[in-house]
Amino acid sequence: AQTVTQSQPEMSVQEAETVTLSCTYDTSESDYYLFWYKQPPSRQMILVIRQEAYKQQNATENRFSVNFQKAAKSFSLKISDSQLGDAAMYFCAYTNYGGSQGNLIFGKGTKLSVKP
Amino acid sequence: DTAVSQTPKYLVTQMGNDKSIKCEQNLGHDTMYWYKQDSKKFLKIMFSYNNKELIINETVPNRFSPKSPDKAHLNLHINSLELGDSAVYFCASSQTYNEQFFGPGTRLTVL
Repeated sequence: AQTVTQSQPEMSVQEAETVTLSCTYDTSESDYYLFWYKQPPSRQMILVIRQEAYKQQNATENRFSVNFQKAAKSFSLKISDSQLGDAAMYFCAYTNYGGSQGNLIFGKGTKLSVKP
Repeated sequence: DTAVSQTPKYLVTQMGNDKSIKCEQNLGHDTMYWYKQDSKKFLKIMFSYNNKELIINETVPNRFSPKSPDKAHLNLHINSLELGDSAVYFCASSQTYNEQFFGPGTRLTVL
């Protein structure tokens, strides 16, 4: 069975600094998708970034970028120029869109605090 | 316009009652899901529904029954509510092989 592990329950960053959130996963599939979702106190789940496993280039979305290491099964999220609005729970998620019918498998989350 | 909506957003009820949560998406997606987020914020899939095919997660008690009247709606009915059912329930939708869009969540509290 596929699993997703986020080893950092909580992280803290100074405003305008850079922070990296870690995620590792386990799968025997070769084709899959990885995501980072943000959940602010409003509890809305917001997609931050996605990565297709077949793409070697790391995905970027403005201040958010990933370091995707397929062989190591690692998928970390880097947030540059951190802002107060980045404070939230961040979830790493996996799907292979095969027999799982696209179900997302989530890590336990990392709570990010941003200090002014 | 809200892409994925859920009603109600908050639901407080007594043990043993039966309740439903409604979900609607206006994105034209072909797949819908229900997730449960427990008190420790852990998110887990409950069901997915794709083109009239329901995929049931075998760890979900049969007191939970999803119902899809059409492609845009996937409702969740829960019978004989228990204290352990207290959680936030999220509906989501996607077009096959694309990212999922989540509703705002329904916080269910069973007293």
